[in-house]
Amino acid sequence: DAGVIQSPRHEVTEMGQEVTLRCKPISGHDYLFWYRQTMMRGLELLIYFNNNVPIDDSGMPEDRFSAKMPNASFSTLKIQPSEPRDSAVYFCASSFRSNNEQFFGPGTRLTVL
Amino acid sequence: LAKTTQPISMDSYEGQEVNITCSHNNIATNDYITWYQQFPSQGPRFIIQGYKTKVTNEVASLFIPADRKSSTLSLPRVSLSDTAVYYCLVGDGTSGTYKYIFGTGTRLKVLA
Repeated sequence: DAGVIQSPRHEVTEMGQEVTLRCKPISGHDYLFWYRQTMMRGLELLIYFNNNVPIDDSGMPEDRFSAKMPNASFSTLKIQPSEPRDSAVYFCASSFRSNNEQFFGPGTRLTVL
Repeated sequence: LAKTTQPISMDSYEGQEVNITCSHNNIATNDYITWYQQFPSQGPRFIIQGYKTKVTNEVASLFIPADRKSSTLSLPRVSLSDTAVYYCLVGDGTSGTYKYIFGTGTRLKVLA
């Protein structure tokens, strides 16, 4: 298996633009997680899904952020409109069960100018 | 919610044993404790996971006291390649929805 796949790896956009981050989890994993990492706040869980259903989205910063998982092999995290404070590395991870090892993707480095 | 606290940074020399402690005062009964390693420009990578007492694998040991309010990751005989940031992760099911809480991370620097 290729592991968790994220795209794009780098994204530079201007304030106010829509940004869509994509993730393909490891096949057979039932859990998918979206994290954000910054120097100031460390690793923060934004949302996670179980069997494509969002379970906890309490970490989503505000309504500008939305996440979907239309099927078991694909998820998106969308920011609309983007702001400079959204600049961070966004990681997607997947796991077989809720307290199993999480496998992280390489991350998407987002810069909002 | 469980809150996790770790030392910000640690230095060590090659060949030494390194112990990194994470405090998680509010951990719930059924929560596991997991440790991850992260290198620059990469996602975190699983090291070890435990529930209580001691767990050992090929790269590390994890010590969890009876009250489970802390855990200690032990890296035997570190090398330069162990220079990384180490995170503990605690699950919290006390609010009904299972939540995942990463510690603040410990930056380990291994010196020659």
